[in-house]
Amino acid sequence: KAGVTQTPRYLIKTRGQQVTLSCSPISGHRSVSWYQQTPGQGLQFLFEYFSETQRNKGNFPGRFSGRQFSNSRSEMNVSTLELGDSALYLCASSLTDIQETQYFGPGTRLLVL
Amino acid sequence: DAKTTQPPSMDCAEGRAANLPCNHSTISGNEYVYWYRQIHSQGPQYIIHGLKNNKTNEMASLIITEDRKSSTLILPHATLRDTAVYYCIVRPTSGTYKYIFGTGTRLKVLA
Repeated sequence: KAGVTQTPRYLIKTRGQQVTLSCSPISGHRSVSWYQQTPGQGLQFLFEYFSETQRNKGNFPGRFSGRQFSNSRSEMNVSTLELGDSALYLCASSLTDIQETQYFGPGTRLLVL
Repeated sequence: DAKTTQPPSMDCAEGRAANLPCNHSTISGNEYVYWYRQIHSQGPQYIIHGLKNNKTNEMASLIITEDRKSSTLILPHATLRDTAVYYCIVRPTSGTYKYIFGTGTRLKVLA
């Protein structure tokens, strides 16, 4: 079974631009979570989705948004990029809405210049 | 949300057992302990999880103390490929999926 896939893997943007990252969960998984990883702050939770509904959101500004589609694929968007948004963005999927193990994708590395 | 405390770094000789400790003294009765590792900025890889009884799988063993305030991940025969950052996570029980990552332990396996 294929794992979590994220596209693109690498991305370079400039300040003020916006970016959309995509995540395809493991087949059959219905929950998707997003995390940001930076050297200074470590791994931080962004938001989680189940059945197209955002269930929880981390402590990030409104420039960070996401959504989930009916096929469980998810996208996250960052508008008005700042230098501090440079990070590894990780997506994780799990099976259902009960406590299930999350499986992470390889991440998208975003560099903002 | 329960927090975890791990030593920032550890070394282990190749072929020896690596014992990685984690303190989670504020854990609630029905919260699971999860372990992941991250190799050089790849996505975190699931290793093992448990509630109160010890667990073993093909990758590692998890020992949870009887009071559940701490746990130890054991890699029985560490190899150079086990060099990674290891995260101990306590899973909230509020119906949310989110993991709260600490700073982890950077394990270096030495040849």
